[in-house]
Amino acid sequence: AQSVTQLGSHVSVSEGALVLLRCNYSSSVPPYLFWYVQYPNQGLQLLLKYTSAATLVKGINGFEAEFKKSETSFHLTKPSAHMSDAAEYFCAVLYGNNRLAFGKGNQVVVIP
Amino acid sequence: EAGVAQSPRYKIIEKRQSVAFWCNPISGHATLYWYQQILGQGPKLLIQFQNNGVVDDSQLPKDRFSAERLKGVDSTLKIQPAKLEDSAVYLCASSLVGDEQYFGPGTRLTVT
Repeated sequence: AQSVTQLGSHVSVSEGALVLLRCNYSSSVPPYLFWYVQYPNQGLQLLLKYTSAATLVKGINGFEAEFKKSETSFHLTKPSAHMSDAAEYFCAVLYGNNRLAFGKGNQVVVIP
Repeated sequence: EAGVAQSPRYKIIEKRQSVAFWCNPISGHATLYWYQQILGQGPKLLIQFQNNGVVDDSQLPKDRFSAERLKGVDSTLKIQPAKLEDSAVYLCASSLVGDEQYFGPGTRLTVT
């Protein structure tokens, strides 16, 4: 069965510092992996996705993620945090008939 | 292109009452999903439609939840009777077959 683990529900980062959100997955087949962002009172917006092409995936708003099969990981990074990055971030794995299994999410707080 | 529309945005009901949510997907999207997002957790798939047929409803509590997608476009999700633990955000998403999911803003349900 496919599943996703995100540790640490709240992540605090100083403005201008590196943002690192960890995601580990479990999948019985080569995975398709996603990162979504959710701003307050809004739906989920796709940041980036891995679909078995390049292992380093670049997304919107300066975010990128690297797929590491040996570590079953798909960590999300951004070199320099901005106040507008304050949001909740979800990692997800695709399974079955185009269905998504989500992690519990990371609430990112940016400290000025 | 208009996004996924949902209404109402907020709903407060007492336990044992009934409630219905409405979703209008992106035009042309054959697949429609309903997710339940409990506070502090990632979204959980409740039901997936392809056109007006159910693809997966394995996680839908069928004793109290029902959903329909008549004519393969709009969809409604109903809860009857509601319980306290149904308090959550209900997200609707749509996609072309086998493609990226686009999420609506959600309906925040509070059961008192």
